[in-house]
Amino acid sequence: EAEVAQSPRYKITEKSQAVAFWCDPISGHATLYWYRQILGQGPELLVQFQDESVVDDSQLPKDRFSAERLKGVDSTLKIQPAELGDSAMYLCASSPGTSGNNAPYNEQFFGPGTRLTVL
Amino acid sequence: GIQVEQSPPDLILQEGANSTLRCNFSDSVNNLQWFHQNPWGQLINLFYIPSGTKQNGRLSATTVATERYSLLYISSSQTTDSGVYFCAVVGSGNTPLVFGKGTRLSVIA
Repeated sequence: EAEVAQSPRYKITEKSQAVAFWCDPISGHATLYWYRQILGQGPELLVQFQDESVVDDSQLPKDRFSAERLKGVDSTLKIQPAELGDSAMYLCASSPGTSGNNAPYNEQFFGPGTRLTVL
Repeated sequence: GIQVEQSPPDLILQEGANSTLRCNFSDSVNNLQWFHQNPWGQLINLFYIPSGTKQNGRLSATTVATERYSLLYISSSQTTDSGVYFCAVVGSGNTPLVFGKGTRLSVIA
């Protein structure tokens, strides 16, 4: 069964260091999302891509966070420099983004996440 | 933006018991999904249900879009059902999911 892949699964870093997370969506999915989940809360959107274009990055702290999806397939989320408050689970999701194949175009599927700890 | 409220926040059940989780939302939606977050943090898709009723084994869900609520039913609960259940909605188009705060379910043997 097709799945969203993420790596690494766990990352421990010191504050002021740079970290990067990778996501490979379900094959053929045009829409890719990065969410951040703080312990005890629901996930919240950081950035949404449609193919290689950013659709919504209004909640992305652009002074330290960046995201790219250069070829419209896999994506990288970077934090530089990391701060203590960045400790969280970073989740990637994808959806078809277009109608077809009898699948809802906006049903989202999540990867296993990257749990980041900043010391 | 759209608001999502889930209840109860916490639920403890004896194995074999049934339960109902509720999700209220503040505006019309074109996507509503129920997820189970396992102890490792992964969100498992349970239902895509912007309206109507669906069943999958011991789980079923109903969304009454006109009254802006959805219910998730768990029957004959098992210890493996423990975890956090999230309801998430999309107000329009292909926009991001807005999540509730979740219901933490503990099933004890």
